[in-house]
Amino acid sequence: QQQVKQSPQSLIVQKGGISIINCAYENTAFDYFPWYQQFPGKGPALLIAIRPDVSEKKEGRFTISFNKSAKQFSLHIMDSQPGDSATYFCAASLTGNTPLVFGKGTRLSVIA
Amino acid sequence: DTGVSQDPRHKITKRGQNVTFRCDPISEHNRLYWYRQTLGQGPEFLTYFQNEAQLEKSRLLSDRFSAERPKGSFSTLEIQRTEQGDSAMYLCASSLVVSGYGYTFGSGTRLTVV
Repeated sequence: QQQVKQSPQSLIVQKGGISIINCAYENTAFDYFPWYQQFPGKGPALLIAIRPDVSEKKEGRFTISFNKSAKQFSLHIMDSQPGDSATYFCAASLTGNTPLVFGKGTRLSVIA
Repeated sequence: DTGVSQDPRHKITKRGQNVTFRCDPISEHNRLYWYRQTLGQGPEFLTYFQNEAQLEKSRLLSDRFSAERPKGSFSTLEIQRTEQGDSAMYLCASSLVVSGYGYTFGSGTRLTVV
């Protein structure tokens, strides 16, 4: 049973464009939703996170949009750069410090 | 603070052998997590500790797997009688028990069972 479904599996975006990755969750008790970025040979690194009491959170070029009624959240990367090419994972947990459940990942390629 | 450290980075072992991995978390972090990641998949939860207490184990953690965190500092993950299906990246992460505080992952130990 996959508790967090992520799409698309892979994404190719032109440099300067907007990258959008989506996640849907099933458990309405989830209340912490982070996004992680992973480069080859490295562990995932926390990018940005949101709680369901807000609908949007922005940090630099990265924005999380959250739709509680639809049980969906998404990551938007503005002005995408080749250095953003990585695998991105959404995740969810019941609180901020219980084991995270991860999506299967989206491989992003930003081409010049 | 040098982040979460995992050792070794790579391990090749023959099927049936035992292997042990070590994780050194960020020193002030009291939570420590083990995850497994296979190619093209997201990390899958295995087990976690708060200080020295093991709080939860996933169904993925068969009885061939054991984890310890003596004295609430570093942790070890041992796999006995390794199988080819155990080949994966084993990730360790640590965090503070503070709501909304994200994990810091190590770079992982890549296990190949031949």
